[in-house]
Amino acid sequence: GQNIDQPTEMTATEGAIVQINCTYQTSGFNGLFWYQQHAGEAPTFLSYNVLDGLEEKGRFSSFLSRSKGYSYLLLKELQMKDSASYLCAVMDSNYQLIWGAGTKLIIKP
Amino acid sequence: ETGVTQTPRHLVMGMTNKKSLKCEQHLGHNAMYWYKQSAKKPLELMFVYNFKEQTENNSVPSRFSPECPNSSHLFLHLHTLQPEDSALYLCASSQEGGSSYEQYFGPGTRLTVT
Repeated sequence: GQNIDQPTEMTATEGAIVQINCTYQTSGFNGLFWYQQHAGEAPTFLSYNVLDGLEEKGRFSSFLSRSKGYSYLLLKELQMKDSASYLCAVMDSNYQLIWGAGTKLIIKP
Repeated sequence: ETGVTQTPRHLVMGMTNKKSLKCEQHLGHNAMYWYKQSAKKPLELMFVYNFKEQTENNSVPSRFSPECPNSSHLFLHLHTLQPEDSALYLCASSQEGGSSYEQYFGPGTRLTVT
């Protein structure tokens, strides 16, 4: 079966760095997505990785290792507004997105 | 604002009611999706429409009936729902065949079945 695993909840301090991991087992691979979802709002796109390596976009970076079935989202200089759920999703061989259950990130002052 | 709107934002309905959820995308995309999001569970893909044709139906019960009259509008018709159908229903759109597979989501309809 297809499976995406990510931690249910993480807590970090304002100004610090946090890494949210995602491991996956899917039938085929056409890229990995990270989305951010604030409570009561729509998921919004953060990043897309299809090749191995690190993609940096401001305070957020996303890493992919296809051989290990592993990705992480790195958030630097954390701000209170970063408190949200972070969803990992993999596009399978049929170009359908397989979703993780999301990681709820709590930022403390 | 993602360019995808959904109405209503909140809906409470009894198990014998009939209601419809509406989604509209203003992005010129050719694919639209219905997802169900329950607490602490992964997003569940329900239906996919490409160029107004349904291409995916993930074993969704017949009490959920989608309709896609054109590439900008998507409906989800609901009837005789069960309490376990209470969830957030998200609509999304994307441009199939393009260079980006990113999906754009609406804010969702929070559905409570009593």
